[in-house]
Amino acid sequence: GQNIDQPTEMTATEGAIVQINCTYQTSGFNGLFWYQQHAGEAPTFLSYNVLDGLEEKGRFSSFLSRSKGYSYLLLKELQMKDSASYLCAVEGQAGTALIFGKGTTLSVSS
Amino acid sequence: DADVTQTPRNRITKTGKRIMLECSQTKGHDRMYWYRQDPGLGLRLIYYSFDVKDINKGEISDGYSVSRQAQAKFSLSLESAIPNQTALYFCATSPRAHSGANVLTFGAGSRLTVL
Repeated sequence: GQNIDQPTEMTATEGAIVQINCTYQTSGFNGLFWYQQHAGEAPTFLSYNVLDGLEEKGRFSSFLSRSKGYSYLLLKELQMKDSASYLCAVEGQAGTALIFGKGTTLSVSS
Repeated sequence: DADVTQTPRNRITKTGKRIMLECSQTKGHDRMYWYRQDPGLGLRLIYYSFDVKDINKGEISDGYSVSRQAQAKFSLSLESAIPNQTALYFCATSPRAHSGANVLTFGAGSRLTVL
């Protein structure tokens, strides 16, 4: 089976840094994804990790440790528009579909 | 026009009715998916298809069926709708990924309410 855990809710203030953690247990591993979903909208792709280490993309970075079954999404210089749900998803075996965690709702306040 | 189009966007129906949600895409992607989203439960995979002749069950396929009529079309059916199928349904597509990220593109969602 597959299990993906992430915190349900987080809060932060504008300009701060926040780290959203994700742990996973899957049969096979072919990549970990982070998606952003604003309220009432469809999810959109943020990042992809398949090798251990940090991937940086502007204000957002994503880290992966395959041996620990652990990833985090780091958001820097938070803005109000970053208030959204952040979804961690894993492709367990090559040629299978993504399985998503329950998502973390981030609220950014001024 | 949207790359991934879902119809209808909103639907209210009664218990026992047959419902079809349709998805079409202009991205030329081979792979298509149906997910449902419920508050507190995240996105759960219902069915997926990697080409026209390929259909695979996901985490929660009971009570649902699908049809891949063409590369660009993937429909989801509820043969006899029940209230706990009330949810937001997302169709998604992705290219055949020989290597690298299998990135999903989502439609805008279809909100279904079963009374």
